[in-house]
Amino acid sequence: GNSVTQMEGPVTLSEEAFLTINCTYTATGYPSLFWYVQYPGEGLQLLLKATKADDKGSNKGFEATYRKETTSFHLEKGSVQVSDSAVYFCALRNSGNTPLVFGKGTRLSVIA
Amino acid sequence: NAGVTQTPKFRVLKTGQSMTLLCAQDMNHEYMYWYRQDPGMGLRLIHYSVGEGTTAKGEVPDGYNVSRLKKQNFLLGLESAAPSQTSVYFCASSYSGLANTQYFGPGTRLTVL
Repeated sequence: GNSVTQMEGPVTLSEEAFLTINCTYTATGYPSLFWYVQYPGEGLQLLLKATKADDKGSNKGFEATYRKETTSFHLEKGSVQVSDSAVYFCALRNSGNTPLVFGKGTRLSVIA
Repeated sequence: NAGVTQTPKFRVLKTGQSMTLLCAQDMNHEYMYWYRQDPGMGLRLIHYSVGEGTTAKGEVPDGYNVSRLKKQNFLLGLESAAPSQTSVYFCASSYSGLANTQYFGPGTRLTVL
């Protein structure tokens, strides 16, 4: 079946540190891959996505590259800010009429 | 354009009581979803709908019922609430299609005593 595995948190970083949150997936075919972010007290919102191998999604300084050979979609940011503190979810969709499959989420705390 | 809205925002129930959570979207999306979020468990899909008048079971459907009588609304019902249903519930909607974004509501925090 389809599944997403992401690194366990929480992750605590100092402001301006480099961030990597690992995400690997299992799926048949060619899924689309997503990163969603959940700020405290809010619902999830799309951060970035990639729809085919070697695509790079980017938004708000975050990037993730769709690596089919390693079945990965790791999230990176070069310099985190306190405002990036949130829970980050990796997700995939494997066909047009099925819901997203989510990882368990990684909580990021950035301290000044 | 309000996006996805959920009512109520908070609710406390006693074991055995019933309630309905309402989700509404104004984006003309065909697909709607109900998730629950529990600590350490991520998001788990309860039920979803691919169009008006249709529903389908997700990963954790037991104890819940849903209805989609109108395209813009998706109702989640708890007939006899249990403490295990204490959770934060999120509704989402999307167009069909492999790359389309799911848009989420702000959530409903439910406590069952």
